[in-house]
Amino acid sequence: DTEVTQTPKHLVMGMTNKKSLKCEQHMGHRAMYWYKQKAKKPPELMFVYSYEKLSINESVPSRFSPECPNSSLLNLHLHALQPEDSALYLCASSQDSGPVYNEQFFGPGTRLTVL
Amino acid sequence: AQSVAQPEDQVNVAEGNPLTVKCTYSVSGNPYLFWYVQYPNRGLQFLLKYITGDNLVKGSYGFEAEFNKSQTSFHLKKPSALVSDSALYFCAVRDIASNTGKLIFGQGTTLQVKP
Repeated sequence: DTEVTQTPKHLVMGMTNKKSLKCEQHMGHRAMYWYKQKAKKPPELMFVYSYEKLSINESVPSRFSPECPNSSLLNLHLHALQPEDSALYLCASSQDSGPVYNEQFFGPGTRLTVL
Repeated sequence: AQSVAQPEDQVNVAEGNPLTVKCTYSVSGNPYLFWYVQYPNRGLQFLLKYITGDNLVKGSYGFEAEFNKSQTSFHLKKPSALVSDSALYFCAVRDIASNTGKLIFGQGTTLQVKP
């Protein structure tokens, strides 16, 4: 299985809602990533987990809360989001975050709309 | 600081003609370079990478890229374009300073292949 899956595909939420995005991979990868992407722009890194531990938080607002319950699963918990948080949220994984030659495999993304 | 530049926002090419999508980089030390493609409403797909070795790297879907150290370039090429190659292309360089798997992306180039 060489796939990263993400659910849901689309999510519409109000500014007071709490929701979660889910990402899963079964490639045995030990590094997982969350990105935010606006239309026609490059992905912006949000968080990196390496061996289930948070290794990078790119100064992301606390209304975004990542969680890595196990090596195959990555969640992004959302609370009190703003309309400007509307974007495509991409999950990715790689064999390891250390070696420079490891490419990242991306999921299809969750299209988030905040009303 | 490491960076990647994609000088063209859009490249237009006729089907059957060769295509080139340009990328230049600025790094301290050895560059580790990647190309990704993104089709509409999808995640990024890995095309190819340069780590070391041959300057001509072959990748998925008939794409190849030429690494040129003197010109600090890593242009993506394909001998004969297909309409289905129309997509958004990102060049990326590995941020080796952070040792966290972080990729630094270019701004992206939209490739339009016309029948």
